[in-house]
Parts: sequence; C-alpha cells; structure tokens
Amino acid sequence: QVHLKESGPGLTKPSQTLSLTCSVSADSMSSGAYYWTWIRHLPGKGLEWIGYISYSGATYYNPSLKSRITISLDKSQSRFSLNLTSVTAADTAVYHCAVRTVTKYFFHDWGQGTQVTVSS
Amino acid sequence: QSALTQPASVSGSPGQSITISCAGTSSDIGAYDLVSWYQYHPGKALKLIIFDVTDRPSGISTRFSGSKSGNTASLTISGLQAEDEGVYYCCSYSGGTTLYVFGPGTTLTVL
Repeated sequence: QVHLKESGPGLTKPSQTLSLTCSVSADSMSSGAYYWTWIRHLPGKGLEWIGYISYSGATYYNPSLKSRITISLDKSQSRFSLNLTSVTAADTAVYHCAVRTVTKYFFHDWGQGTQVTVSS
Repeated sequence: QSALTQPASVSGSPGQSITISCAGTSSDIGAYDLVSWYQYHPGKALKLIIFDVTDRPSGISTRFSGSKSGNTASLTISGLQAEDEGVYYCCSYSGGTTLYVFGPGTTLTVL
C-alpha cells in the first residue's frame, strides 16, 4: 500500500497559480514502479483526471488543462507537486493525489484530498 | 459534464442487491477492459473496489462484482450492508490524449 497526503493552500485568488504537494512514503517513491497522479473532484461534476508523472519525469496531462498545468517530482523529498496557473472559480475542487502502477490501469491508492477554493 | 454516465442515486434495503450502471462509448468502455470502480466516503480516501472490469483487490468483499456489456459497465453489490453507503465512481481508460474518464458518481443509500 502506498500512503499519500496532499497539502496546499485552501484558498487561492483568481488568476493566481495554485500549488499543491503530495507527500508519499519514501520506499514507494524510490521503487520507480508508479505513475504519480493528480485527480480533482469538481462540485456537482464528479472526478476529473488531471495528469501524472513517472519516476523518470515523463508527464501525461489532460489536454483540457495541459496549457495550465505542471506536475513535477521531488525524489529527494518523496513528494510530487501540481501547479495550476491562471485559476478561476471553475478550478474550485477537492484535489486528490493517487498512484497507478506502471503496468496497471487503475488507481490503487489515494490521498484523502484537499479542498481548494478559488475566490477573491 | 462527465464523460461517463451514471445514475445520480440508487437505494436498497439491507440484504438486497443493487446494480449501478456506467455508460460510456466505443472509445472508452467499449474499447478497453480497463474499467475500475471506486467507493468514496467524504473526508476519506477513495477506495478501489473493482479493477479491469471484474477483478477485486485483496480485502474487498466478494459482495462486490463488476461486469461489462458493450459500452456499459456495471457494479453489483449483493447483500447490502449499512457500511456500503457512499458514493461510487466508475472510471475507464480511454487511450488517446485524455487517458482516463470518470463518471459523475452514484450515491448509494441503504434504507
């Protein structure tokens, strides 16, 4: 089991950049066997896959968000991050980090999620 | 609007069985046997309950089962228990550029 925990500001102003971090267990990060994923829970709309990053740093983004997102990996700190630029109220959501094994196509472990509200 | 379609809510009495449908297209559910289901209780982490259409992770009750026909997947919960209440999301790998699509979630109420 991979343990994940999200952190970040609960409130972000419109047009600013949202930055979130997901901390994971060190042995999981170093295994190289996973895709480190961000998924968000939009109110009234369900879940939306944002993207993920591999151990080698290869990224895969949802094309609807691709121009505004960056997912990065900090192996030394056993964490990965999401930056979402030019946020609007439509980006208000619960943001979850999750993990997918490279050879599988499902998300087997998730963080509890962190609420992000975009408001002035 | 979600890419997959689920009923907003279902309900059943303890001991009964319920089925939640998840409708997609020939580009996602119809194209891949890579449907997964997740159980959500607000404030908690989502839990994987079905993967690859029919498989259960270790520790998930055999009361949960999955199936697929054409572009529609289904989750069946038999012998309903109070602890089954929550929101259930389906997900399909869809290849292309948007690799994963989810449903909007179905709220299960155990009466």
